[in-house]
Amino acid sequence: DAGVTQSPTHLIKTRGQQVTLRCSPKSGHDTVSWYQQALGQGPQFIFQYYEEEERQRGNFPDRFSGHQFPNYSSELNVNALLLGDSALYLCASAHRGVNGYTFGSGTRLTVV
Amino acid sequence: GENVEQHPSTLSVQEGDSAVIKCTYSDSASNYFPWYKQELGKRPQLIIDIRSNVGEKKDQRIAVTLNKTAKHFSLHITETQPEDSAVYFCAATPNDYKLSFGAGTTVTVRA
Repeated sequence: DAGVTQSPTHLIKTRGQQVTLRCSPKSGHDTVSWYQQALGQGPQFIFQYYEEEERQRGNFPDRFSGHQFPNYSSELNVNALLLGDSALYLCASAHRGVNGYTFGSGTRLTVV
Repeated sequence: GENVEQHPSTLSVQEGDSAVIKCTYSDSASNYFPWYKQELGKRPQLIIDIRSNVGEKKDQRIAVTLNKTAKHFSLHITETQPEDSAVYFCAATPNDYKLSFGAGTTVTVRA
């Protein structure tokens, strides 16, 4: 049984560019949430998707957007990258909420 | 929104001793409190969770206690082993939408 898979694992982008990160939830899970984890800090909630809709959003600018597909997989898009966007981006899936969250291994984004 | 504070930020214990990590939360509506363990370069993994209708929960060497009145919850690890060395995060949520995480505790178990 595959867990949460994220791609790519590592990414280097230049300031001002755009990036798309991908997430496939664990089998049986229908809710996908995205978190940003800066070095030495706890994960910060970006947004959650359920039934292809953004259900709630954290304190992140509109440069951060997402999408959920009918097969429950999800994408995180970040436009106009800033140096401060460098972080580990974690995807977490669950069945209808946050209980029993399973995290993926993350995508390490470096903006130079 | 929910604000979670976690203490201490670092904790060094002798192998075999106990480790305790404490968290406080601000939103009295929070009803779900998971704990995650994150080893270096790896994903956060759920190790134990507790709901607001339960005061204590135990799973082998790990236990979590919740005091709703004081709005704090704690993780207890007994008989620590070197493989317990990791960063531990507490989290809380008043709904099914998002978890608010503490800043993490780096636990080092000395052999």
